[in-house]
Amino acid sequence: AQSVSQHNHHVILSEAASLELGCNYSYGGTVNLFWYVQYPGQHLQLLLKYFSGDPLVKGIKGFEAEFIKSKFSFNLRKPSVQWSDTAEYFCAVNAAGTYKYIFGTGTRLKVLA
Amino acid sequence: EPEVTQTPSHQVTQMGQEVILRCVPISNHLYFYWYRQILGQKVEFLVSFYNNEISEKSEIFDDQFSVERPDGSNFTLKIRSTKLEDSAMYFCASAVEGGGDTQYFGPGTRLTVL
Repeated sequence: AQSVSQHNHHVILSEAASLELGCNYSYGGTVNLFWYVQYPGQHLQLLLKYFSGDPLVKGIKGFEAEFIKSKFSFNLRKPSVQWSDTAEYFCAVNAAGTYKYIFGTGTRLKVLA
Repeated sequence: EPEVTQTPSHQVTQMGQEVILRCVPISNHLYFYWYRQILGQKVEFLVSFYNNEISEKSEIFDDQFSVERPDGSNFTLKIRSTKLEDSAMYFCASAVEGGGDTQYFGPGTRLTVL
């Protein structure tokens, strides 16, 4: 069965610190990969996605993620976080040919001003 | 920018009652989904729906649950005979295409079963 692991449940950073959130999935076939963000009081919004091609994907608000197929990973990065990045971040995987997303448990990021 | 909307934002019900959660997907989207998130746990897929039929469902989506697109705009999730463990946030999502296309999520309905 497919699964997604997000190893960091809570992360606290100061503004301007660099961010890396881990995401690993278990599935042997072709996958589509997503990072979603949920700001306080708001709904899930797409940050970025990977379908194929360049494994380094750039998203909104300065976020990027790298797909490393050999490690089954899709880590999210941002070189310099801002207070407004405080949110919960979800990694999701879609196995090609299926309709559902499998979500990780989420990482709560708190950025201190 | 068009958004997925959900009503109500919070629903409180007694155990054993039926509830209907409503969603209005983005108007040109053709694929519709329901997910749920029990407090403190991960977002879980329930069901996907296309062309007026279920295209995929999880093991959670048993006979207690049903989905319907009663008109051209609404997409509903019905939970019959609610249980305490059905208390969760329920998210609707829609997409233009199926498979791995980007899903756009609504704000969720918080269901509390007493």
